[in-house]
Amino acid sequence: KAGVTQTPRYLIKTRGQQVTLSCSPISGHRSVSWYQQTPGQGLQFLFEYFSETQRNKGNFPGRFSGRQFSNSRSEMNVSTLELGDSALYLCASSLGIHGANYGYTFGSGTRLTVV
Amino acid sequence: GENVEQHPSTLSVQEGDSAVIKCTYSDSASNYFPWYKQELGKGPQLIIDIRSNVGEKKDQRIAVTLNKTAKHFSLHITETQPEDSAVYFCAALGVSQGGKLIFGQGTELSVKP
Repeated sequence: KAGVTQTPRYLIKTRGQQVTLSCSPISGHRSVSWYQQTPGQGLQFLFEYFSETQRNKGNFPGRFSGRQFSNSRSEMNVSTLELGDSALYLCASSLGIHGANYGYTFGSGTRLTVV
Repeated sequence: GENVEQHPSTLSVQEGDSAVIKCTYSDSASNYFPWYKQELGKGPQLIIDIRSNVGEKKDQRIAVTLNKTAKHFSLHITETQPEDSAVYFCAALGVSQGGKLIFGQGTELSVKP
């Protein structure tokens, strides 16, 4: 079966612009989490969605937002881009809200470069 | 909040040797500990995980041990092969923080033929 699909794979944006990233979870998975990966900070949790509701949020500014649709697909948006937002953005899907029971499967990520 | 420390940051071994990566966590309520392998240009791939009600788990050449008292867990890879070269991440599910994965900083493993 298909894995977690993230689009686009690569993006180049200018400071001040906004960007929307998309994640399609594994079929049947209802939980989607987003992570930011940078060389300096490693993998940091952004937020988690389940049944179209944000269930958990990391320590990122309000410029970072997300949503989940009824088919479990999720999008995240970053407004007013800063150079420091350059990172690999990863999406992970899980069967249910209690990830410890089901595990998390990651997509290949979207590489965002802000210039 | 939950914190996960991972050591070493880099590890170089000869093909056929064993490799051990160690992690410690701070939240005693954490109950799920996965290990991920990340190759260049790819997302993290789950290679093995362990839950807090188990002390050890093995899958072919890979094993993970958990010491809940010491809040310590380790990844053991035996008979390493060049294709094991990658960055490995440990993680803990920070239950006290709503169930988000907290990752270690990663270990870059290099297996020399």
